This record gives sequence, structure tokens and C-alpha cells, in this order.
Amino acid sequence: EVQLVESGGALVQPGGSLRLSCAASGFTVSSSYMSWVRQAPGKGLEWVSVVYSDGTTYYADSVKGRFTISRDNSKNTLNLHMNSLRAEDTAVYFCARETFGDFFYMDVWGKGTPVTVSS
Amino acid sequence: SYELTQPPSVSVSPGQTARITCSGDALPKRYAYWYQQRSGQAPVLVIYEDSNRPSGIPERFSGSSSGTMATLTISGAQVEDEADYYCYSTDSSGNQRVFGGGTKLTVL
Repeated sequence: EVQLVESGGALVQPGGSLRLSCAASGFTVSSSYMSWVRQAPGKGLEWVSVVYSDGTTYYADSVKGRFTISRDNSKNTLNLHMNSLRAEDTAVYFCARETFGDFFYMDVWGKGTPVTVSS
Repeated sequence: SYELTQPPSVSVSPGQTARITCSGDALPKRYAYWYQQRSGQAPVLVIYEDSNRPSGIPERFSGSSSGTMATLTISGAQVEDEADYYCYSTDSSGNQRVFGGGTKLTVL
């Protein structure tokens, strides 16, 4: 069964750092396009970052320079390293696998992990 | 940065047809996708590549796209269709992903 399970969410102070992880089963993360998407309380979905199978990465303007997406191939895991956290980064963070039809789109999602940035 | 625009809310009675629109400048060249999100749950894909329905999604869900606007249609909406619906696409480069602001569908 294809499954994604996020972990690492926590309460962190403004300016702090956090690493989120997403453990995959049923497929290989390194062969896939993988994205992080977040949802602030009561707000809509916001795409955060993507890593392609060739290692190319892209980021939303709101996190560029502060967040880094990476993979741990030995653990079949996707990571999101978050630095210089701000109150507006408070959200549930979802990881998602992207599949290819005529283009890439997210077909499998995890249940999300909550991040709260507050003093 | 690229944006997709959706109406904040749509309301229909059970059995009526609900239409949710999504506008974006790159939609003539990029596919639209639609996700359903029920409260507290992860999003679920209901339409991909403008008009295709994944397996397991009821036939009452359909999609179309023309010019800069994509539309999700729920024919004969049911109470269980109440949820937030998000359109999704990419910018003209294909690398920046973007979600619309979401539309809350009320069926009552």
C-alpha cells in the first residue's frame, strides 16, 4: 500500500529551526517528485516546495532562503528543514507524492504534522 | 507570483448542480486539477488534467477548462459533498505549483 506519514511537528519559538520528516512506503521517494504543502489554521492550501527525481528543487517565495527540502534515500524519507521560523509559518504541513499523467500532480498525501511558531 | 482565483463559497440544495470556477492566466497552457478537503482531513484528488476522474470518484464530479477558466461541476450534489474544494495548477514554467484560495461548498 502506498502511504506517507509525516512527523517532527512541534511548538517552536520565532527564529527557531525545525526538521520535518515524511516516511514513505509502497514506492521509492528518490524516484519520485515529492512536495510539501502547508495549511495555516482556518486558511487554504499553500504549496511550499518540491524536489524532482533528479534532485532539482523549487520553493515558494514565502519560504525561499529559509526552508530546504531534501531526501534520505537510505530511509526512503522526505525532509523539510525549516530555519528562521516566523509566526506565519504556523500550519499543518503535508507531504505529497507527485505522479505523472500528461503532467505532474499530487496523488498521495500524508495526514500532516502540525507546526506552531510562538513564544 | 502566479495566482489562481476561486469564489470563497458556493451554496446549493441537495440534488442541484454546483459549479466552482478557477481562473488563472496560465490555464490555457496548463492543466487544472481539483482537490476535495473535508474538515480535518488530507486533500483528495477528484479531477485531474482538466476533466479526468480518478477511480473511486463518483460520476457526478466532472471538470472542464476553457481559456483562462477551469470549472468543477458536481451534478446532483449530495450532503456528503460538503467540503472545501481547491483548484491546483502550475505557472507557465511548470515548476512553481499553486493552489487556488479554496471554495467552501455548502449543500443544504
